[in-house]
Amino acid sequence: GAVVSQHPSRVICKSGTSVKIECRSLDFQATTMFWYRQFPKQSLMLMATSNEGSKATYEQGVEKDKFLINHASLTLSTLTVTSAHPEDSSFYICSARGQTAYEQYFGPGTRLTVT
Amino acid sequence: GDSVTQMEGPVTLSEEAFLTINCTYTATGYPSLFWYVQYPGEGLQLLLKATKADDKGSNKGFEATYRKETTSFHLEKGSVQVSDSAVYFCALSVPNQGGKLIFGQGTELSVKP
Repeated sequence: GAVVSQHPSRVICKSGTSVKIECRSLDFQATTMFWYRQFPKQSLMLMATSNEGSKATYEQGVEKDKFLINHASLTLSTLTVTSAHPEDSSFYICSARGQTAYEQYFGPGTRLTVT
Repeated sequence: GDSVTQMEGPVTLSEEAFLTINCTYTATGYPSLFWYVQYPGEGLQLLLKATKADDKGSNKGFEATYRKETTSFHLEKGSVQVSDSAVYFCALSVPNQGGKLIFGQGTELSVKP
């Protein structure tokens, strides 16, 4: 089946620094990738839709200057959390869309802790 | 707006018990409906899906039927196992929105031996 990886799986950073999270589709090409945020014992909140070669589309309330998304190739999308603060600590999950609109494959997630 | 509502957890069952996790939705148009499962420490996996009314999705003994008249997609399994312990998410995808998924809040299932 289709595999999506994320790197790193866990990261701890200091307040004010930036962190980059990578999302890769390993055995298929994904023109569209999605970034979600998941709080403990809560649902996934869609942050943005990332399309290869174009600007990401952000959901209402998500700061595009704080969460920079780059989809530079058909297999890689990155999320950079800029000037991170403790309230940005969360579980970030990416997914990649398959050949049909309703096929979506999820990465294992990245646990970000900002101290 | 489009939304998904699931029954609150946690749900605790004994092994071999019958499982139902309720899911209802609100959507414009004709959504596709999904159940995803998240095992501890892992990412989400698609469990089953249904793309039109009256479709039944099934996988690994789990079933859910797309009920347009009641806007529901309840998850059922006749006999749960300890290995089914996980968080289950109901989700919908609205047509013409590029596959964007809207998730319910998740239901944690704990199965005791």
